[in-house]
Amino acid sequence: GAGVSQTPSNKVTEKGKYVELRCDPISGHTALYWYRQSLGQGPEFLIYFQGTGAADDSGLPNDRFFAVRPEGSVSTLKIQRTERGDSAVYLCASSVGLAALDTQYFGPGTRLTVL
Amino acid sequence: DAKTTQPNSMESNEEEPVHLPCNHSTISGTDYIHWYRQLPSQGPEYVIHGLTSNVNNRMASLAIAEDRKSSTLILHRATLRDAAVYYCILRDPYGSSNTGKLIFGQGTTLQVKP
Repeated sequence: GAGVSQTPSNKVTEKGKYVELRCDPISGHTALYWYRQSLGQGPEFLIYFQGTGAADDSGLPNDRFFAVRPEGSVSTLKIQRTERGDSAVYLCASSVGLAALDTQYFGPGTRLTVL
Repeated sequence: DAKTTQPNSMESNEEEPVHLPCNHSTISGTDYIHWYRQLPSQGPEYVIHGLTSNVNNRMASLAIAEDRKSSTLILHRATLRDAAVYYCILRDPYGSSNTGKLIFGQGTTLQVKP
């Protein structure tokens, strides 16, 4: 079946602009995660959704970052007033349910470059 | 969450076994040991996990020390496609922040030579 998809695959923007990154999880997966990966580092947790609600947003670096999942499926990560330090690969993952041991399935990521 | 320690990099020859170590000396009794790997330009993918007993699946084997303070991911015959960053991650299903988020370290970059 179809895996997790993310669009766009690459996004180049200018400092100060607003960007939206989209994640389509595996159909039926109720849990959705966003991670950010800087060059040479492991992925870093940003936010977790269970259904439509953000159950844990403790990883969001500041209030310029926001994410939504209005219908419990597709999620959008929104970054306002982008800064050069926001440049990274943004990864989305989904899992079947709530269990903390559920396997997470990752998308290919969106590479964001802020000039 | 308990911390894991892995070597930064390892090399292997194609078709030879590879043993990737992970130290987790502060592991709790309820921590599961998970391994994910990340191929170049892809998102991470699940490899294997275990609690106390050794585990085998089609991708790899996981050997867990008796005291659980270390574990080893074993690739029985490395292929070029196994070149990736391998992450050892502890997951506690009963943790206070039980959201299932994965906490990645730096991982081990495995290079496979033909």
